[in-house]
Amino acid sequence: SQKIEQNSEALNIQEGKTATLTCNYTNYSPAYLQWYRQDPGRGPVFLLLIRENEKEKRKERLKVTFDTTLKQSLFHITASQPADSATYLCALEAGNMLTFGGGTRLMVKP
Amino acid sequence: DTGVSQDPRHKITKRGQNVTFRCDPISEHNRLYWYRQTLGQGPEFLTYFQNEAQLEKSRLLSDRFSAERPKGSFSTLEIQRTEQGDSAMYLCASSLRIAASSYNEQFFGPGTRLTVL
Repeated sequence: SQKIEQNSEALNIQEGKTATLTCNYTNYSPAYLQWYRQDPGRGPVFLLLIRENEKEKRKERLKVTFDTTLKQSLFHITASQPADSATYLCALEAGNMLTFGGGTRLMVKP
Repeated sequence: DTGVSQDPRHKITKRGQNVTFRCDPISEHNRLYWYRQTLGQGPEFLTYFQNEAQLEKSRLLSDRFSAERPKGSFSTLEIQRTEQGDSAMYLCASSLRIAASSYNEQFFGPGTRLTVL
């Protein structure tokens, strides 16, 4: 069956460090993968999209990698700040439907 | 604020009642999606429209769930004979799909939180 797995345990890091979140998938062949941020009580907000033929993508302090052989994407936030504390969701599109992982909660401590 | 609005933001109802939620997408967006999200989980796709056509509805959770987008603008999601298990956040999203190969960044609304007593 198709699965998208993110670490369900919260990730706690110190301000200024790099946060790395993982998204693994099985039985998908996605053309691209997306990352969203979600704050409590709010809808997800789009952050980055990476295509299957791209290895890495950057946007300000954010970096996403996409390894279609390992079926894995890594999401990095460098120089993390307490304001980066949120839940981060990865999502794959298959058949015009966006399927989300369960998300990983990131807590950045000052 | 992404430009997608949902109404109401919160709804408390008794089991067996019908509820209807409204979503107003970003005006130029041709695609509109409905998702359900329960605590600790990612959004779960329910259905989507391209303009007024409902192109996928097999993921609606049961025949008690229905959605419309009559004029290709706003959309409604109705749940009939609500059950306690329907308690969740219902999210709407919209996007602009130009071509089959174009990517599909989605803009989400704030959601409607449903509580069924």
